[in-house]
Amino acid sequence: EVQLVESGGGLVQPGGSLRLSCSASGFTFSSYAMHWVRQAPGKGLEYVSAISSNGGSTYYADSVKGRFTISRDNSKNTLYLQMSSLRAEVLAVYYCVKERSGWYPSWGQGTLVTVSS
Amino acid sequence: EIVMTQSPATLSVSPGERATLSCRASQSVSSNLAWYQQKPGQAPRLLIYGTSTRATGIPARFSGSGSGTEFTLTISSLQSEDFAVYYCQQYNNWPWTFGQGTKVEIK
Repeated sequence: EVQLVESGGGLVQPGGSLRLSCSASGFTFSSYAMHWVRQAPGKGLEYVSAISSNGGSTYYADSVKGRFTISRDNSKNTLYLQMSSLRAEVLAVYYCVKERSGWYPSWGQGTLVTVSS
Repeated sequence: EIVMTQSPATLSVSPGERATLSCRASQSVSSNLAWYQQKPGQAPRLLIYGTSTRATGIPARFSGSGSGTEFTLTISSLQSEDFAVYYCQQYNNWPWTFGQGTKVEIK
């Protein structure tokens, strides 16, 4: 069974940093591209960032480019999202998502990121 | 980026009735369209990919159709567990984008 477990969310001050982690199990992690998708409270889904299976290619939404960095450690079956220069608008649940040919068959339970002074 | 527009925003349906949800793309996405179901407090769940292929474990009452810019998700006979928010997603052009969602509520 595929399991994706996010951690690292929480309350951070404006301008601060946070690193999200996603521990994966139940599939060959190194064979799949992985994404982060977020959802602001009461809002829809928004793609944030993606990374290829070997980590060689990364992609970012314009709204986070230059402030977020996605990475992965295939030896640890773990996906990361380093978030910096955080602003209030990043308030959302961040989901770790396994991609398969464009669609998302598996999602984590999400981790909430809140920015407030 | 491709804008996905779902309609209606809210659909009120009685249990046992058919529900038809629409999703329109601002430009052609071929058949690269997926649908997700999300219940309160839960992560989204994949229902349909490739416009019409049901994901593993998805009941046959869920069906998808369309191509190009117009897509439809049909739930043939709504069950109590089907009341939720549904999102479409295109994966034809980067970045992948989602519709704003259709909430299916009990009438």
